[in-house]
Amino acid sequence: SAVISQKPSRDICQRGTSLTIQCQVDSQVTMMFWYRQQPGQSLTLIATANQGSEATYESGFVIDKFPISRPNLTFSTLTVSNMSPEDSSIYLCSVWGQGTDTQYFGPGTRLTVL
Amino acid sequence: GQQVMQIPQYQHVQEGEDFTTYCNSSTTLSNIQWYKQRPGGHPVFLIQLVKSGEVKKQKRLTFQFGEAKKNSSLHITATQTTDVGTYFCAAGNTPLVFGKGTRLSVIA
Repeated sequence: SAVISQKPSRDICQRGTSLTIQCQVDSQVTMMFWYRQQPGQSLTLIATANQGSEATYESGFVIDKFPISRPNLTFSTLTVSNMSPEDSSIYLCSVWGQGTDTQYFGPGTRLTVL
Repeated sequence: GQQVMQIPQYQHVQEGEDFTTYCNSSTTLSNIQWYKQRPGGHPVFLIQLVKSGEVKKQKRLTFQFGEAKKNSSLHITATQTTDVGTYFCAAGNTPLVFGKGTRLSVIA
């Protein structure tokens, strides 16, 4: 299994500002994923972050809005830039368990934009 | 990519009643996984099904993968208040594509 921590756990931000979310895994993993879960909704994949290469973004998500860093095999950050109230959501970091067919999720970052 | 449709969206049951959620795809799935998300929590892996017609049980939970590998179901027998949460099916590989989930509430 993989143990994932995220910081911050929650934040309230003003419109137009940016927030960087950190994701730390207790083991080295090749693939890390960032999801968004809007209230009462399912999980939507934002991007896949591989170490040593640029993140791959899903349709509807762009690097300028959601820049991602992946400096090593245990850490990643997601920045939500120029925030608007529509960005209010839970942002979840996830990894694919090495040698398993299971995805593990971090506890999430609950973001509220005023 | 693979997409999965999940029904119902919501289910309210009396404690002790059974509950079933269904997951359907228009394409053949290589595998299907089920996750549970408690209110305020994050998704937690329950099980993976890979084989056609596969049935797996975890205590009161029974998971089934269709013969054509295009549908799956999760059945809970005699629900308890601890079963409250949203159940997601997910398919695909690295990363998974999630269904919209079924939110289960249990009335004591």
